[in-house]
Amino acid sequence: EADIYQTPRYLVIGTGKKITLECSQTMGHDKMYWYQQDPGMELHLIHYSYGVNSTEKGDLSSESTVSRIRTEHFPLTLESARPSHTSQYLCASSGWGEHYGYTFGSGTRLTVV
Amino acid sequence: ILNVEQSPQSLHVQEGDSTNFTCSFPSSNFYALHWYRWETAKSPKALFVMTLNGDEKKKGRISATLNTKEGYSYLYIKGSQPEDSATYLCAFPLPTGANNLFFGTGTRLTVIP
Repeated sequence: EADIYQTPRYLVIGTGKKITLECSQTMGHDKMYWYQQDPGMELHLIHYSYGVNSTEKGDLSSESTVSRIRTEHFPLTLESARPSHTSQYLCASSGWGEHYGYTFGSGTRLTVV
Repeated sequence: ILNVEQSPQSLHVQEGDSTNFTCSFPSSNFYALHWYRWETAKSPKALFVMTLNGDEKKKGRISATLNTKEGYSYLYIKGSQPEDSATYLCAFPLPTGANNLFFGTGTRLTVIP
């Protein structure tokens, strides 16, 4: 029943590799978000988008980049993965306004060795 | 960074017991307060979005109350069941606006059969 899809679910990759985490939603939401969660810590916003061609940095600094060429697609890229990037990455989308709840993807658990 | 605190951090209850936990948040510039349930290996799911002081929302055995003047919300689970085992997150919109949420660390609930 997922309306927002993230792939891969798990990824183990070597240091220095370029990776792209995929996120797609079928709800037509303009707002999309990437959150990062280290074990035992809060979810932190690293990127968000208001719509096509809009990308903004969140409250937690991240070396990753994002793009929003289509409404439904919001991929996250790490040009050169490092062990410090090991974390869980969650994608979400919502309608406008503070009264809209988020719809989350299942997350990508990234391990950089 | 906002100060959104959840307590307790973790909780074990027997099946059939009722339980509650707390989310405290800044009482100034209130827009909304969100509650999410995050089961292991699944995506977080929105439970409630609360916007009015004194608001009370209910979904089955789960209910939530909101006090915006003193900056807290309670989540109640009546007659806990093993399927209620999850991490319960509250979230508060960041001052940047645009429904960017700041999440607490969550309360991890385990219901023992």
